[in-house]
Amino acid sequence: DTGVSQNPRHKITKRGQNVTFRCDPISEHNRLYWYRQTLGQGPEFLTYFQNEAQLEKSRLLSDRFSAERPKGSFSTLEIQRTEQGDSAMYLCASSPRWFGSTDTQYFGPGTRLTVL
Amino acid sequence: GQQVMQIPQYQHVQEGEDFTTYCNSSTTLSNIQWYKQRPGGHPVFLIQLVKSGEVKKQKRLTFQFGEAKKNSSLHITATQTTDVGTYFCAPGLLNAGGTSYGKLTFGQGTILTVHP
Repeated sequence: DTGVSQNPRHKITKRGQNVTFRCDPISEHNRLYWYRQTLGQGPEFLTYFQNEAQLEKSRLLSDRFSAERPKGSFSTLEIQRTEQGDSAMYLCASSPRWFGSTDTQYFGPGTRLTVL
Repeated sequence: GQQVMQIPQYQHVQEGEDFTTYCNSSTTLSNIQWYKQRPGGHPVFLIQLVKSGEVKKQKRLTFQFGEAKKNSSLHITATQTTDVGTYFCAPGLLNAGGTSYGKLTFGQGTILTVHP
């Protein structure tokens, strides 16, 4: 078990370009989460999946953001027409679901996005 | 999501001194998780507290959940330079049926600096 992996680790793009990030969760973890973290702040929830179903999307997430988990394994997060305010660390986490309590979430190393 | 306030925002200690961070909520929490994030790293799960008045220990770390389940604390005895990082509390949610509701809402965190 190699843990949660994310690619790329760093992405520098120009304003207006589209970017896509990938997250590979721990195998057999059926929940997958995306968070965004800016300097000096805690991670901010974006969206999460249970298997291939997207169960919740933050109201803070604009229509430029879309996430998929087509086969219930890896997930992608796409940002269209990037803006400088999108610059942040994008964290992915996965968890096994078990009844009765909040899942422990295992975080990946993150993708650091810089929009010029 | 349930909002929490963490205090202090920063704490500088000499190696060997104790450290405590507090997590406060205006509403009753179902449970709470604590995470540590090293500089340049990603959040790593430390503990989950569920029961009113619960106390859990991990070596030099002591975690408490208040009797009213509105606050929690993390205490580190005799800090070491390896304790450096940001400590986050994150309340979790349970739905009416007691099933986990995976999204975490992180506090702002307490940044701990340990001077050797």
